[in-house]
Amino acid sequence: AQTVTQSQPEMSVQEAETVTLSCTYDTSESNYYLFWYKQPPSRQMILVIRQEAYKQQNATENRFSVNFQKAAKSFSLKISDSQLGDTAMYFCACLNAGNNRKLIWGLGTSLAVNP
Amino acid sequence: DAGVIQSPRHEVTEMGQEVTLRCKPISGHNSLFWYRQTMMRGLELLIYFNNNVPIDDSGMPEDRFSAKMPNASFSTLKIQPSEPRDSAVYFCASSFARTSYNEQFFGPGTRLTVL
Repeated sequence: AQTVTQSQPEMSVQEAETVTLSCTYDTSESNYYLFWYKQPPSRQMILVIRQEAYKQQNATENRFSVNFQKAAKSFSLKISDSQLGDTAMYFCACLNAGNNRKLIWGLGTSLAVNP
Repeated sequence: DAGVIQSPRHEVTEMGQEVTLRCKPISGHNSLFWYRQTMMRGLELLIYFNNNVPIDDSGMPEDRFSAKMPNASFSTLKIQPSEPRDSAVYFCASSFARTSYNEQFFGPGTRLTVL
């Protein structure tokens, strides 16, 4: 069965510093996609960054970047220059590229950015 | 684009009552997903539709839950009769399914409280 594991239920970081959220996944598929979603206190789910498994280059979106280690099935999210608005729950998710369009979700990491 | 629209935003009801949650996906999207989020179980996929057809309803907890998508622009999730353990935030998401990844866009959620 496909699974996604986020081993850090809670994390905190000082404003302007860098923090890394971990995610590991398990899938038997060769082609899949990985996502990080953010859920702030408003509870709106927002896509932060995506990675195609067939791409070796790590995805980057402004202050957000990933460290994708395919062999280790690891997909960590790095947030640079943390801002107060980054305070949120962060969810890692995996989608197989086949016919089944189900996203498999981790349980989330609660990140607090402290002033 | 207005994004995914859900109504109501909040619902408080008494045990045994029927509850209907509504969702309007983003225009042009052909996949629709219903999720339930709780502290204990995280984000759970209840059911998803492709082109208005239910594809996977294995996440529907029991017969008290039912979902319909009569057309491409509207879906409902119904709970009858409701129970206190159904209290959760229910999200609707939509996407445009294609051979590559399909980002899911989430609505603001409906917070359901069953007393």
